[in-house]
Amino acid sequence: EPEVTQTPSHQVTQMGQEVILRCVPISNHLYFYWYRQILGQKVEFLVSFYNNEISEKSEIFDDQFSVERPDGSNFTLKIRSTKLEDSAMYFCASSGGLAGDRYFGPGTRLTVT
Amino acid sequence: KNQVEQSPQSLIILEGKNCTLQCNYTVSPFSNLRWYKQDTGRGPVSLTIMTFSENTKSNGRYTATLDADTKQSSLHITASQLSDSASYICVVSATSGTYKYIFGTGTRLKVLA
Repeated sequence: EPEVTQTPSHQVTQMGQEVILRCVPISNHLYFYWYRQILGQKVEFLVSFYNNEISEKSEIFDDQFSVERPDGSNFTLKIRSTKLEDSAMYFCASSGGLAGDRYFGPGTRLTVT
Repeated sequence: KNQVEQSPQSLIILEGKNCTLQCNYTVSPFSNLRWYKQDTGRGPVSLTIMTFSENTKSNGRYTATLDADTKQSSLHITASQLSDSASYICVVSATSGTYKYIFGTGTRLKVLA
């Protein structure tokens, strides 16, 4: 069964550093998403991406965040200058249609020290 | 404001017992309601999806109900197993210009031998 994959599984970085989280969505999906989950809290929407552009973003997704689909398979989330409060699990998801089921990856645990 | 509330926050049961998790929502316009299972440190995995007209949906030992009039849903787990230990998240979709997933806070279930 096809699945969303994410790398790395765990990333430790120092405050102020840039990180890139990588995702490989399910191959025939067209809609891509990033979510985050701070430990013990609920899953929060960051951004959705369709047709090579951002279709929606939340208040959390400020100028320090960016997304890119650099080739036909990868979907990345870049955090330019990490802050302590960026420590969280980051989940990538993809869906075949706007209202289709969103399939989540296993997540990247980001720890900012 | 669109909100999804779940209860209880956490639950401990003995293996083999049944349990019921609750979800109340104030989401408009309602599109559908999903229950996800999230193992610790992993991404959410879809269990069931129900539209406005569906009252109940089963997936093995998981049975979800939906009362669209009272805006309540429940997830019933029958004959629990150790592997059911996870967080269960209620997600309500809204269609208001865009298609949004509104996440609940989750119920953390622990099944003891």
